Amino acid sequence: DTGVSQDPRHKITKRGQNVTFRCDPISEHNRLYWYRQTLGQGPEFLTYFQNEAQLEKSRLLSDRFSAERPKGSFSTLEIQRTEQGDSAMYLCASSPGPVGTQYFGPGTRLLVL
Amino acid sequence: ELKVEQNPLFLSMQEGKNYTIYCNYSTTSDRLYWYRQDPGKSLESLFVLLSNGAVKQEGRLMASLDTKARLSTLHITAAVHDLSATYFCAADAGGTSYGKLTFGQGTILTVHP
Repeated sequence: DTGVSQDPRHKITKRGQNVTFRCDPISEHNRLYWYRQTLGQGPEFLTYFQNEAQLEKSRLLSDRFSAERPKGSFSTLEIQRTEQGDSAMYLCASSPGPVGTQYFGPGTRLLVL
Repeated sequence: ELKVEQNPLFLSMQEGKNYTIYCNYSTTSDRLYWYRQDPGKSLESLFVLLSNGAVKQEGRLMASLDTKARLSTLHITAAVHDLSATYFCAADAGGTSYGKLTFGQGTILTVHP
């Protein structure tokens, strides 16, 4: 069990550029979650997957955000036409099922200039 | 919409003292999670509380859940410096959204000599 991994750990981009983040969950965890955390706040739910199916997206998630989990293993989160307000820590978590501990990855810190 | 509130938001404690962090949530939830976050790090799971009256203890930390009062507490006994961190509670939305967590704002705990 190597834990949840995320790549890259840091990303600096210019406003208007597209970025993509990757999350590798714990092996055999069929639930995968994306959260966003800004400074001084708790994580905020973005979306989650059961295997390859995306179950729910937050109302706060604009159309510029898209996530997928092909083949039910790793997941990617893409942000198109980034804005300065997208600057945050993007956290990925996984769990064996819908109930029980969600294990968080180290996060990807995004800075949009 | 599920809302989670923690208090206090800032807690400065002397070593050896006891204190309690409170977590209130707005709608019915039967699963409550506590996480710890060190500066610049990701979230570490502390407790999962799955039923009314659940109590869990690990070292100097004890968590409890009262689903009727929609309240969870994290009690710290004889604080030590190593407990300095930010503590988050999170409630599960339940129903068709099992696994979707709503986090509180976090409690920044500082333990000093």
